[in-house]
Amino acid sequence: RKEVEQDPGPFNVPEGATVAFNCTYSNSASQSFFWYRQDCRKEPKLLMSVYSSGNEDGRFTAQLNRASQYISLLIRDSKLSDSATYLCVVNFGSGQFYFGTGTSLTVIP
Amino acid sequence: EAGVAQSPRYKIIEKRQSVAFWCNPISGHATLYWYQQILGQGPKLLIQFQNNGVVDDSQLPKDRFSAERLKGVDSTLKIQPAKLEDSAVYLCASSSGGLAGGAVGELFFGEGSRLTVL
Repeated sequence: RKEVEQDPGPFNVPEGATVAFNCTYSNSASQSFFWYRQDCRKEPKLLMSVYSSGNEDGRFTAQLNRASQYISLLIRDSKLSDSATYLCVVNFGSGQFYFGTGTSLTVIP
Repeated sequence: EAGVAQSPRYKIIEKRQSVAFWCNPISGHATLYWYQQILGQGPKLLIQFQNNGVVDDSQLPKDRFSAERLKGVDSTLKIQPAKLEDSAVYLCASSSGGLAGGAVGELFFGEGSRLTVL
């Protein structure tokens, strides 16, 4: 069983749409959670951390449900520049970061 | 501040040959990671170092892959002999654990070393 699972997509949405990505993780003792963004042929970069209370950064909202071992990312008012792969990342402890497969998003004009 | 440096950026070899990748993390970052990213997949953790000690190498194919970080700074990942399925981007990342800048849990990646095995 994969430690971190994501729907790979692809998600093709029009500009201005709202899109949501989900992620599940297998280790109930996982300590911290993140969303990373990876542009084509580039390295991953931190988009945002995910807190139990939920957190928002502009058009991006991340939520964590520890009971269901589930993480989500919501993007509102999609921009062309949001086109990328979004990676769910879980820290299983001792700084061990495991990545999901990634979800591909293309925002269409 | 200099980022994570990796070399070479690209490498093409034939199967059964050997290859080595080098990584220099951000200064002061105690934790260094090597990830393998196959096209269309997420990064897979190969090995994690804390200073010069190994924290996790459970997913490193030890019959052909080796890695070291002798002085707790830069690191080398070696593949010998290479197989076709080793074709991937090898990403090095470092982290300070939030102690020296960056968010807690933020990994800083190098640009990667793209390996093609023919």
